Amino acid sequence: RKEVEQDPGPFNVPEGATVAFNCTYSNSASQSFFWYRQDCRKEPKLLMSVYSSGNEDGRFTAQLNRASQYISLLIRDSKLSDSATYLCVVRIAGGGNKLTFGTGTQLKVEL
Amino acid sequence: DAMVIQNPRYQVTQFGKPVTLSCSQTLNHNVMYWYQQKSSQAPKLLFHYYDKDFNNEADTPDNFQSRRPNTSFCFLDIRSPGLGDAAMYLCATGGDVETQYFGPGTRLLVL
Repeated sequence: RKEVEQDPGPFNVPEGATVAFNCTYSNSASQSFFWYRQDCRKEPKLLMSVYSSGNEDGRFTAQLNRASQYISLLIRDSKLSDSATYLCVVRIAGGGNKLTFGTGTQLKVEL
Repeated sequence: DAMVIQNPRYQVTQFGKPVTLSCSQTLNHNVMYWYQQKSSQAPKLLFHYYDKDFNNEADTPDNFQSRRPNTSFCFLDIRSPGLGDAAMYLCATGGDVETQYFGPGTRLLVL
């Protein structure tokens, strides 16, 4: 079983749609959680951290359920520029602050 | 302002010919990471330096080596590149901060 699992997609949605991505992680010692965005042939960039209480940044809302080991990302009013791969990322407590990445969910926003 | 810089951005090498990729950072982070990312896959951690302490992942092939002469610079050496080593190589920094900051990557092609 992969440590971080995501639906690879692609999710093809019209502009203005609301889209949700899910992610599960297997290691209960996971301590911190993030969503990264990766554009084609570019490096991953931090989109937002995910907190237990849930957090929002503009059109983006992230949720964490520690009991179910489940993370979600909701994008409202999607824009063409949101087209990218969204990586679910987990940090496990321990030396070096190592991150474990999911394979990503591809989003394509269309006119 | 670029904070994590990787050179070159594209590298073509021949099968078996040693190659060195470089990474530098202006963030003064104590940890530097090297990842390998193949198409449609998650970034895979190869190793990281915590200050001068080298930490190799268990499944990183011996063909991959690294050097960190000072806080700002880190190098990835591939001693005898094979066709399967063609990938994007990502350098990242972090440490006392929770998350990591990635450079733009070096895309390696092996002929």
